[in-house]
Amino acid sequence: DAGITQSPRYKITETGRQVTLMCHQTWSHSYMFWYRQDLGHGLRLIYYSAAADITDKGEVPDGYVVSRSKTENFPLTLESATRSQTSVYFCASRDVPGQGNYGYTFGSGTRLTVV
Amino acid sequence: GESVGLHLPTLSVQEGDNSIINCAYSNSASDYFIWYKQESGKGPQFIIDIRSNMDKRQGQRVTVLLNKTVKHLSLQIAATQPGDSAVYFCAEKANQAGTALIFGKGTTLSVSS
Repeated sequence: DAGITQSPRYKITETGRQVTLMCHQTWSHSYMFWYRQDLGHGLRLIYYSAAADITDKGEVPDGYVVSRSKTENFPLTLESATRSQTSVYFCASRDVPGQGNYGYTFGSGTRLTVV
Repeated sequence: GESVGLHLPTLSVQEGDNSIINCAYSNSASDYFIWYKQESGKGPQFIIDIRSNMDKRQGQRVTVLLNKTVKHLSLQIAATQPGDSAVYFCAEKANQAGTALIFGKGTTLSVSS
């Protein structure tokens, strides 16, 4: 199916564990993004990628690692999960703007709980 | 750093009324703005966008107004329906190639029938 998919949809993990959230898009969009959404903070950018093998930090990158070996995948890894990383994580993608449209398409999100 | 904020965290309207959701931004270098709608349990969905060389843009039942003088953005929804109940976010992009969007904290719109 065409689109952007995130997995898992829900995840519970323990403090200190490593966990990877997956994001896959089928459009071959150049840009991909990871945001976290918390009450009172809206959406905050964790990392983004402009193309395969090119990644850059966003507003809140500490404790997270990303990779982009293939254009269609952009996994987000929490190296050692902490309770403060309990959040809803959204992946998004967009192509190189053709008509000045910089809008993203978002996935459905992963709700992560760290206990 | 720049920030995007909404004036009111919640807005309650009656079905059929017009809704106005406001957003203030602080980065005068931002050249592109978007409104997103997020329903419960879903990812944000694109509603409408506007570039900084425009003052107004209309879509289906929605209008976005941009006032660059006071760095203010608004989303107007005509004849609001219960299906419009959601959280609405504004987002801005600074005038740099590839720069990611910065989102405001969101306004929750509740529509009662």
